[in-house]
Amino acid sequence: DTEVTQTPKHLVMGMTNKKSLKCEQHMGHRAMYWYKQKAKKPPELMFVYSYEKLSINESVPSRFSPECPNSSLLNLHLHALQPEDSALYLCASSQSLQGASTDTQYFGPGTRLTVL
Amino acid sequence: AQSVTQLGSHVSVSEGALVLLRCNYSSSVPPYLFWYVQYPNQGLQLLLKYTSAATLVKGINGFEAEFKKSETSFHLTKPSAHMSDAAEYFCAVSEIQGAQKLVFGQGTRLTINP
Repeated sequence: DTEVTQTPKHLVMGMTNKKSLKCEQHMGHRAMYWYKQKAKKPPELMFVYSYEKLSINESVPSRFSPECPNSSLLNLHLHALQPEDSALYLCASSQSLQGASTDTQYFGPGTRLTVL
Repeated sequence: AQSVTQLGSHVSVSEGALVLLRCNYSSSVPPYLFWYVQYPNQGLQLLLKYTSAATLVKGINGFEAEFKKSETSFHLTKPSAHMSDAAEYFCAVSEIQGAQKLVFGQGTRLTINP
């Protein structure tokens, strides 16, 4: 099973709302990632968790708050977003073994977020 | 910092024709390179990756790529295009900054003409 699942598929929220995106994998992977992808652009890394600890934060605004409750789950909490935050949010996971440069990242289908 | 450049934001070929998608890298260390495909409204799927074991890498769906150090290239090819190959293709280089970080190229949209 090489599946990464993401919920919800679509989300529409106002600028004052609080919502969360959820990502789950059951491959035993110890690294999990959040990416943001705008239309016709490549994915941009936001956060990386390695062994449930935040390893990389790409200077993401604090209105995005990641959480890794356990090795299978990754959440992204959203609060007071702006319309320019509308995008496809992709989750990915990888084994994070030694020599992690060669790890394959497995991507979920994404959550299409629209901020009104 | 490492980077990749994809030449051609849009490539159009006829069904049955050769597919060639170009990727050049910039790296001061031996790079680890990836090709991912993204179908409309989906996530990314790995096609193949170069990990220095072999310069010619075979991937899924009939794709392959050759690592050429002298040309700093990792171009993706497929001998005969199929309609189902229409998608966005991303080349990426991997670097470690506490964890793996993929640096993507700008992407190439492949269109297949019947």
